[in-house]
Amino acid sequence: EAGVVQSPRYKIIEKKQPVAFWCNPISGHNTLYWYLQNLGQGPELLIRYENEEAVDDSQLPKDRFSAERLKGVDSTLKIQPAELGDSAVYLCASSLEAAPTDTQYFGPGTRLTVL
Amino acid sequence: AQKITQTQPGMFVQEKEAVTLDCTYDTSDQSYGLFWYKQPSSGEMIFLIYQGSYDEQNATEGRYSLNFQKARKSANLVISASQLGDSAMYFCAMRDFYNQGGKLIFGQGTELSVKP
Repeated sequence: EAGVVQSPRYKIIEKKQPVAFWCNPISGHNTLYWYLQNLGQGPELLIRYENEEAVDDSQLPKDRFSAERLKGVDSTLKIQPAELGDSAVYLCASSLEAAPTDTQYFGPGTRLTVL
Repeated sequence: AQKITQTQPGMFVQEKEAVTLDCTYDTSDQSYGLFWYKQPSSGEMIFLIYQGSYDEQNATEGRYSLNFQKARKSANLVISASQLGDSAMYFCAMRDFYNQGGKLIFGQGTELSVKP
């Protein structure tokens, strides 16, 4: 079974440019998460989707970040415009449902560098 | 508020020996789950083991076991017979069953280095 797929793996952009990250969750997983991982720290949740609905986006900086999950499968996270402080790893994860015991499986992440 | 604390920024272990990675947590909820993930240099977070707060037995998965002490709010990961491939960052994480809506709260991580 294929795992969570993310692309690109690496992205280098200049500040004020837009950038987008793509995630394809494990087949059949209804819940999708985007996490932000700063260097030397654990991941922090940005947004959680249950099917197409964003059910927790309280940590998403909505002035510059946006996300969508059309048709309840793939998801895209966008930053516009990017700032120097956005340099980090963006991790996508998925789980069958949002039940507390459901394990979240992570993709390899996208490492963003903003110059 | 929930919090996960991993007090060991880095650990060394000799190949084939056992190692314990510490994790303490804080929550006011009675129902929660504890997870350990491994993150090699490639970046992917790999799920290792899960312990529910009501589970009476300590969880085990192959060479991984979780030393769960509920009264002390600790959930230490024990890796037996360390291998060179175990060198990675290890993260402890927690999820409240009712209050956090599925969000995992992670600790700062412990970097494990296995020496040949």
